[in-house]
Amino acid sequence: DQQVKQNSPSLSVQEGRISILNCDYTNSMFDYFLWYKKYPAEGPTFLISISSIKDKNEDGRFTVFLNKSAKHLSLHIVPSQPGDSAVYFCAASGVGGSQGNLIFGKGTKLSVKP
Amino acid sequence: DADVTQTPRNRITKTGKRIMLECSQTKGHDRMYWYRQDPGLGLRLIYYSFDVKDINKGEISDGYSVSRQAQAKFSLSLESAIPNQTALYFCATSDRMQGKDTQYFGPGTRLTVL
Repeated sequence: DQQVKQNSPSLSVQEGRISILNCDYTNSMFDYFLWYKKYPAEGPTFLISISSIKDKNEDGRFTVFLNKSAKHLSLHIVPSQPGDSAVYFCAASGVGGSQGNLIFGKGTKLSVKP
Repeated sequence: DADVTQTPRNRITKTGKRIMLECSQTKGHDRMYWYRQDPGLGLRLIYYSFDVKDINKGEISDGYSVSRQAQAKFSLSLESAIPNQTALYFCATSDRMQGKDTQYFGPGTRLTVL
């Protein structure tokens, strides 16, 4: 059974608007969450993370929100740019993730239209 | 220069052949990982190593073996390749001293088994 779920395989957004990517998890022992971005023919690139002691973390245009009671996190990109078009993976770690290993979702492909 | 390098970047081989994929890192990290990515399935952990003398199986280790030759080198072997091992393979590293397990990925190896 999937412990980290990204239920939207794809998302299309207009340039300049907000992109919201969602991720749900099932294991309450996860205590650290990450987002990675992946372009074709490249490895995943670390984007932003959040610890379970926080509910929000910002880095420039990227903000991650964590709702522990709902076991849900989201990545907001504002404003979206065509260069943001990529596959985004949500990942989680903690005791529930085998002592530091990451459990990945299946990814969401974001397309930002000019 | 890239911090995490993988060789080869592309490989086509035949069923039954032995294949080795190599990963090197200059980040000085103690932990290294091998993942495979299949379309629609995200990233799945094959093996991981927390230091030179520590090797652990991941979610999908059957049909694979690894060798941690040095802190900076971690190789993945397919003893007898089969077509369903056709996938993208990624090496990653992380640093225990950073406290949380943010992983940094190499560019990937595209392996095709005919």
